[in-house]
Amino acid sequence: DAGVIQSPRHEVTEMGQEVTLRCKPISGHNSLFWYRQTMMRGLELLIYFNNNVPIDDSGMPEDRFSAKMPNASFSTLKIQPSEPRDSAVYFCASSLGEGHNYGYTFGSGTRLTVV
Amino acid sequence: GDSVTQMEGPVTLSEEAFLTINCTYTATGYPSLFWYVQYPGEGLQLLLKATKADDKGSNKGFEATYRKETTSFHLEKGSVQVSDSAVYFCALRGSSASKIIFGSGTRLSIRP
Repeated sequence: DAGVIQSPRHEVTEMGQEVTLRCKPISGHNSLFWYRQTMMRGLELLIYFNNNVPIDDSGMPEDRFSAKMPNASFSTLKIQPSEPRDSAVYFCASSLGEGHNYGYTFGSGTRLTVV
Repeated sequence: GDSVTQMEGPVTLSEEAFLTINCTYTATGYPSLFWYVQYPGEGLQLLLKATKADDKGSNKGFEATYRKETTSFHLEKGSVQVSDSAVYFCALRGSSASKIIFGSGTRLSIRP
């Protein structure tokens, strides 16, 4: 089991550029979650999908952020245009199901720095 | 709505000391409760869980008991090691919820 795979591990980009973060969930997991973590705001849920369908995107900070899940094995989080305040670690997590006894498996994260 | 409250850090202990990190929750129904650990530079990892009242989750010497009467799920370890230095998150997933609610995290530092 390769776990949840995120790429890239680190991304440094200039303000105004488009940034795309990628996630491959664990095979067979049907729920996928995108989180952002900063020292100031802690861990924030941005959006989550069940069976590839976005269920709750209320945590997406603004229209500059978008997420897609075209199939069960791949998701992207895009920021366009990026701003310095978007600098954070972005985590993807997946879950086997919606049942309350299922936990999440997290990826190792993408550390984004916008300069 | 559902919520989790855990003790604020940082918590600093000497090696071999006893550890308690307090966690209380508010939820309707019968949620499942979790502790996650995040080591520096890594993602969160599931440490232990309990899915019903009076269940005890345990892993790597850590334990937590699901106490419905006090709505608590305190994390304990009898003798901590330097390698336990990390951030610990208490969390719950409600019986009718699709997502996990995380606490704010408690940073633990163990000095040799």
